[in-house]
Amino acid sequence: EVQLLESGGGLVQPGGSLRLSCAASGFTFSSYAMSWVRQAPGKGLEWVSSISDSGGNSIYADAVKGRVTISRDNSKNTLFLQMDSLRAEDTAVYHCARDFEDGFGDWGQGTLVTVSS
Amino acid sequence: SYELTQPPSVSVSPGQTARITCSGDALPKRYAYWYRQKPGQAPVMVIYNDRERPSGIPERFSGSTSGTTVTLTISGVQAEDEADYYCQSADTSASHWVFGGGTRLTVL
Repeated sequence: EVQLLESGGGLVQPGGSLRLSCAASGFTFSSYAMSWVRQAPGKGLEWVSSISDSGGNSIYADAVKGRVTISRDNSKNTLFLQMDSLRAEDTAVYHCARDFEDGFGDWGQGTLVTVSS
Repeated sequence: SYELTQPPSVSVSPGQTARITCSGDALPKRYAYWYRQKPGQAPVMVIYNDRERPSGIPERFSGSTSGTTVTLTISGVQAEDEADYYCQSADTSASHWVFGGGTRLTVL
């Protein structure tokens, strides 16, 4: 059974940083591209970033480019999202997701990031 | 920036057919995906590559495409289908993934 468990969320002040983690199990992690998708309270889904299976390629949404870095450790089956210069509009539940046919086939329950003073 | 447009809401009675549309200029060139999200839960993929169903998704879910519009059809709607539905695709250069704004399906 595929399991994706996010952690690292919390309350942070504007301008601060957070590092999110996503622990994967139940599949060969190094064979799949992975992504982060966020959902602000009461709003829709917003793609944030994706990384290739090897970690050699990554892409970012314009809203976070330059402030966010996606990475992965295939030896530890873990996906990361380093978020810097956080803003109020970054407040959201952040889900990690496993690639399936270029869509998002499996999702974690998410971790809540709140940016507020 | 590229956008996918969905109706905010669709309402149907149990047993009827629900159709949720998603429009975007790049859809003739890019696959579309559909997700169902119930309150407090993570999204679940219900259609991939325009019209394919992942394993475990009931046959009453189907996808179709016509020009710049893709459609999710739910036949014989059941109360348990009440949820938010999102389409997703890529922009023309395939450098960005995009979600539609979501459609709330209400089963009357």
